[in-house]
Amino acid sequence: KNQVEQSPQSLIILEGKNCTLQCNYTVSPFSNLRWYKQDTGRGPVSLTIMTFSENTKSNGRYTATLDADTKQSSLHITASQLSDSASYICVVIKAAGNKLTFGGGTRVLVKP
Amino acid sequence: GAVVSQHPSWVICKSGTSVKIECRSLDFQATTMFWYRQFPKQSLMLMATSNEGSKATYEQGVEKDKFLINHASLTLSTLTVTSAHPEDSSFYICSARGGREQETQYFGPGTRLLVL
Repeated sequence: KNQVEQSPQSLIILEGKNCTLQCNYTVSPFSNLRWYKQDTGRGPVSLTIMTFSENTKSNGRYTATLDADTKQSSLHITASQLSDSASYICVVIKAAGNKLTFGGGTRVLVKP
Repeated sequence: GAVVSQHPSWVICKSGTSVKIECRSLDFQATTMFWYRQFPKQSLMLMATSNEGSKATYEQGVEKDKFLINHASLTLSTLTVTSAHPEDSSFYICSARGGREQETQYFGPGTRLLVL
C-alpha cells in the first residue's frame, strides 16, 4: 500500500471554478510535504513546501493546507485557468535521509 | 530557483542500442542526483541515487548493469540505458539536490525515450 494516497485520481472542472485535491499519508517520521505541478511531458515543478508546524501556505492561486495530526494535506486551486490542466503530485519527505515518497497524482483538466 | 536541465529532451532508438541521457545542474553544485522513471499515467519511480564521485545506489528491482549511472562532477550526471528494449520506453526524469537549499530536490524537464 502506497504511503501517500491522493484523491481524486482525476477531475474535470470548468474554467474559473475552484477545486480541492486531497493527500493522505502515513510516511513517518515526517519532515515536510510538497505539492508539485507536472505538465504533460515535463518534469515536476514545486508549488508549495510545508513543514510540520505550517498549517497553510499559498502560491498565487494555489493554497496548500497541512494537518500533521491527521496526516492530511489539501491543495486548493482558485479561479482555475486552462493552464492549470496538469497532474498534481503530493510528495512527502521522510526525516533522516530525506527520502521522497510520491503520491499517484491527481490529473486535472480545466475546460473552457 | 535552481535549474536542472536534461539532454536530449526526447530520443528514438532501435532495439539493442544504448542511449545516454545527461542531467545538469546549471546554477548550483549538486551533491546528490536522482534518476526517476515514469510510465504513462503513473507517478515517478525512483531508480537510483548517485553522489558525486561514488557509485550509484539502485532501488530494488532496477538492474545496475542495464542502467549505468555516472556522476562524474558536481554539475553532471549521466544515465545510460544499455541494450535498450521496447519495454525500456518511458519518461526519464532526473533531479538534483545541493546548493544553498540542501534538502530541496529540483527536477529536470525529463527525457522521453522510445525504443523501436
